[in-house]
Amino acid sequence: DTAVSQTPKYLVTQMGNDKSIKCEQNLGHDTMYWYKQDSKKFLKIMFSYNNKELIINETVPNRFSPKSPDKAHLNLHINSLELGDSAVYFCASSQTSGFLSTGELFFGEGSRLTVL
Amino acid sequence: AQSVTQLGSHVSVSEGALVLLRCNYSSSVPPYLFWYVQYPNQGLQLLLKYTSAATLVKGINGFEAEFKKSETSFHLTKPSAHMSDAAEYFCAVSDQGTDKLIFGTGTRLQVFP
Repeated sequence: DTAVSQTPKYLVTQMGNDKSIKCEQNLGHDTMYWYKQDSKKFLKIMFSYNNKELIINETVPNRFSPKSPDKAHLNLHINSLELGDSAVYFCASSQTSGFLSTGELFFGEGSRLTVL
Repeated sequence: AQSVTQLGSHVSVSEGALVLLRCNYSSSVPPYLFWYVQYPNQGLQLLLKYTSAATLVKGINGFEAEFKKSETSFHLTKPSAHMSDAAEYFCAVSDQGTDKLIFGTGTRLQVFP
């Protein structure tokens, strides 16, 4: 049983296209995240949602729009893809209690996006 | 602003040798500190975490890390490397009780037979 699952694992597309990556967690966590890992393995947080509410938005271009239909799902939609969007996108989840977090994130296996 | 610095983007050891991966943090408040491991083509998984309890923290797979406030360090060690330890290791910091983890740039560990 995969705890945090992302689809698709691989995505190859042309510049200017719009694409989505889906994420689901079955851990019962109330906080979900999107991280971007570039070609040098640098990991940067993009967004976090707590119970479907946006908590963290790290100066990500407006072309990136997260959507959380419920606390078990956090999807990422990207408009007008650019070459620089090529990266591995990781979804993660964690359990918080009020405003406190354990800091332990559970990651999906990543979605490798290649923009040609 | 909080940050972590991982010294050495690549570390190579022989099987059976000591593993030492370095991490220094910068934080204006007592931090929470973490080590995550990423195996090829996989997501990250938590190795261990420091949350202001014991300064010597034991994690999975025989790894441990020691929080040293005087040195602002949280180095990861393992007495005897195994081939299966080859992976990318990330140090991370967060403010106590917040969701936002700041990751270091990672250290690739190679283990030679």
